[in-house]
Amino acid sequence: GAVVSQHPSRVICKSGTSVKIECRSLDFQATTMFWYRQFPKQSLMLMATSNEGSKATYEQGVEKDKFLINHASLTLSTLTVTSAHPEDSSFYICSARDQGYGYTFGSGTRLTVV
Amino acid sequence: GQQVMQIPQYQHVQEGEDFTTYCNSSTTLSNIQWYKQRPGGHPVFLIQLVKSGEVKKQKRLTFQFGEAKKNSSLHITATQTTDVGTYFCAGNYGGSQGNLIFGKGTKLSVKP
Repeated sequence: GAVVSQHPSRVICKSGTSVKIECRSLDFQATTMFWYRQFPKQSLMLMATSNEGSKATYEQGVEKDKFLINHASLTLSTLTVTSAHPEDSSFYICSARDQGYGYTFGSGTRLTVV
Repeated sequence: GQQVMQIPQYQHVQEGEDFTTYCNSSTTLSNIQWYKQRPGGHPVFLIQLVKSGEVKKQKRLTFQFGEAKKNSSLHITATQTTDVGTYFCAGNYGGSQGNLIFGKGTKLSVKP
């Protein structure tokens, strides 16, 4: 079945630094990928839609200059959290629509900003 | 805006009991999907419902889509400890290119 690989799974960074998260579709091409944020014991909130070869579409309230998204190829999208602060600590998950009906999710990245 | 309401938020059952979670949208959905997220894991796609009144079964799981395509339910018969996790519904309003709007999820715990 479709596999989406997300790295790193966990990252701890200092406040003010930037962190890059990668999301790769391993056995299919994904022209569109989605980035979610999940707070503890809460649902997934869509942050942005990543489109291959064009600018990402951000949801209302999501700072595009803080959460930089790049989708340079059909199999790779990256999310960079710039100038991270403790309030950015969260679980970030990417997903892509595979050739079936459902969306395949990456394993997520637990970001802790200290 | 578009919103998917899901209840209950938590459900504690004894192993062998049944479990049901419900999702409701104020506007008509193009389709609805169900996901399961194990503790510490990521959401895993279970099923998609598209047709009005559709009912699909996966072993002990029964999924229903309402006639008006505004509500859906997931029913688990005779729960097992392996059913533990959070079940999310996700509504799609925009057809094949639309984004998913997730419900808040129902966290199921099963006491052996």
